[in-house]
Amino acid sequence: ELKVEQNPLFLSMQEGKNYTIYCNYSTTSDRLYWYRQDPGKSLESLFVLLSNGAVKQEGRLMASLDTKARLSTLHITAAVHDLSATYFCAPNPMYSGGGADGLTFGKGTHLIIQP
Amino acid sequence: DAGITQSPRHKVTETGTPVTLRCHQTENHRYMYWYRQDPGHGLRLIHYSYGVKDTDKGEVSDGYSVSRSKTEDFLLTLESATSSQTSVYFCAISWPGQAYGYTFGSGTRLTVV
Repeated sequence: ELKVEQNPLFLSMQEGKNYTIYCNYSTTSDRLYWYRQDPGKSLESLFVLLSNGAVKQEGRLMASLDTKARLSTLHITAAVHDLSATYFCAPNPMYSGGGADGLTFGKGTHLIIQP
Repeated sequence: DAGITQSPRHKVTETGTPVTLRCHQTENHRYMYWYRQDPGHGLRLIHYSYGVKDTDKGEVSDGYSVSRSKTEDFLLTLESATSSQTSVYFCAISWPGQAYGYTFGSGTRLTVV
């Protein structure tokens, strides 16, 4: 059974600062997704990381994947208030054979960025 | 939003009554999923479907059933609603292939009183 652990679960930071969210998972995964969720809204896809060493960047967010360590990170650079949201990681189990079995989510990181 | 619609968006129901939530997609994707979201738990998979009349249980399937008689519709039924099923329910669709991803519906907020 795939277990996913995100750290931290809650993060309050100031604008302009840098920080990293960590996502550890317990079994082999062939890809990993990062999602953003605003209060009362659905999940918005941020990144799909497809292989070991994959790095993707979009604006102030950068995600990376280390499949050997079973670790993904989401790095925030020079945070701004608009990035306040809850962020979820979701590795896709290796046995799923093409995505059919669904994602397993971490509990989410609730990020508050204060002016 | 990406051709996936959930209905109703909000519902209040009484304990012991059956409730059906609907997920409708216009993308003709093969795979569909139902998740529930609760504070402190993230999203947990209830049931999923590989295609018409082909479904399987997820992590938290007790008390729920699903049906998929058409590619575009995936129904989630709470057979006898309980207060522990008060939650936000999300439907998702997925497509096969190297670049497959998951798209989520807007959610249904269900309150069981």
